[in-house]
Amino acid sequence: AQSVTQLDSHVSVSEGTPVLLRCNYSSSYSPSLFWYVQHPNKGLQLLLKYTSAATLVKGINGFEAEFKKSETSFHLTKPSAHMSDAAEYFCVVSESMNRDDKIIFGKGTRLHILP
Amino acid sequence: DTGVSQDPRHKITKRGQNVTFRCDPISEHNRLYWYRQTLGQGPEFLTYFQNEAQLEKSRLLSDRFSAERPKGSFSTLEIQRTEQGDSAMYLCASSPKQGEETQYFGPGTRLLVL
Repeated sequence: AQSVTQLDSHVSVSEGTPVLLRCNYSSSYSPSLFWYVQHPNKGLQLLLKYTSAATLVKGINGFEAEFKKSETSFHLTKPSAHMSDAAEYFCVVSESMNRDDKIIFGKGTRLHILP
Repeated sequence: DTGVSQDPRHKITKRGQNVTFRCDPISEHNRLYWYRQTLGQGPEFLTYFQNEAQLEKSRLLSDRFSAERPKGSFSTLEIQRTEQGDSAMYLCASSPKQGEETQYFGPGTRLLVL
């Protein structure tokens, strides 16, 4: 069975400082992992995805994430936060088994950017 | 705009009424998914279609919920005899094919049951 845990429900950082949003997962198979961002009143947008290629994945808007199998983690980072990064972030795990592409969302981390 | 679209964007209804939502996926995407998202939670899977075939339904999808995708293009989600607990954001997503896990989401339909 697969699951995903986002360790922080809220994270606050000052503008210009690094961002770290933590995600741990469990999966019976080799999973695909994603980060999505949801801005208020907007649809979910894919930030980046890991699908068993390079373990360090670069996404849009300067975000990146590193897949660490030994730690079952897929933390999201950004070197320097911008005010526009304030949003809800979801870590997602997917196992593609036969015809069923099961996708499980974490509960989300709300990122606050302090001026 | 060729993204996933949903209609309506907002719906307010009285308890006991029926409501129907529509989702138009990205053109030629074979897979279509429905999710429900409540405040403070991540989206929860409800059901999905491969073309016109409904392949899986979550236990969250009670008998009052029904989804269709009759021609393998747009889909509808109907909730009968709505309850206050049905109040949520209903999200639709599509993906190109089996094995392509990236899902593209619509803006959602926010339902409020009074």
